[in-house]
Amino acid sequence: KQEVTQIPAALSVPEGENLVLNCSFTDSAIYNLQWFRQDPGKGLTSLLLIQSSQREQTSGRLNASLDKSSGRSTLYIAASQPGDSATYLCAPQMYSGGGADGLTFGKGTHLIIQP
Amino acid sequence: EAGVAQSPRYKIIEKRQSVAFWCNPISGHATLYWYQQILGQGPKLLIQFQNNGVVDDSQLPKDRFSAERLKGVDSTLKIQPAKLEDSAVYLCASRPWRDTEAFFGQGTRLTVV
Repeated sequence: KQEVTQIPAALSVPEGENLVLNCSFTDSAIYNLQWFRQDPGKGLTSLLLIQSSQREQTSGRLNASLDKSSGRSTLYIAASQPGDSATYLCAPQMYSGGGADGLTFGKGTHLIIQP
Repeated sequence: EAGVAQSPRYKIIEKRQSVAFWCNPISGHATLYWYQQILGQGPKLLIQFQNNGVVDDSQLPKDRFSAERLKGVDSTLKIQPAKLEDSAVYLCASRPWRDTEAFFGQGTRLTVV
């Protein structure tokens, strides 16, 4: 059974800092890994999808890396802004047979960017 | 492109009552998921549909939860009877096929009192 851990659970930094969010997963037989952000009272917004054959994926100030063999992914946020404040969730996708391929989530990292 | 639509946004019911949630996925998306997110936790998969067939309902409490996806498009999730521990946000997600990006709706926040 896939288990996902995200470290740190919470992070508060001043505006402008670069920061790294960590995600680890126990089963490396994944197809891809997706990073999401969740604002309070909202659904999940997809940030990046990184395929198992890729090492990195970039979108604007965000960069996600994936080390499938070691079961780790990191999300790098450059030049953080108050609008980046949210909970960040990583979710590896596995194929479990019979077409089952749901995402498994950790508890997320609650990020606060201080103005 | 329209996103995943869910309704209602909020629902308050008494325990032992029944409730239903509705989801309309992105057009053309064959795969549809229902997730339950309890406060402070990550979402947990309840059920996955591929077109109108169930491919994974291993974590669905089948004594009280049911779901259907008629004609491979819209889906409904029902709870009957509700318990206090069912208080959560129920999220619907869809994707075109495996290995593609999954998109989530805004969720339905259920409070059972």
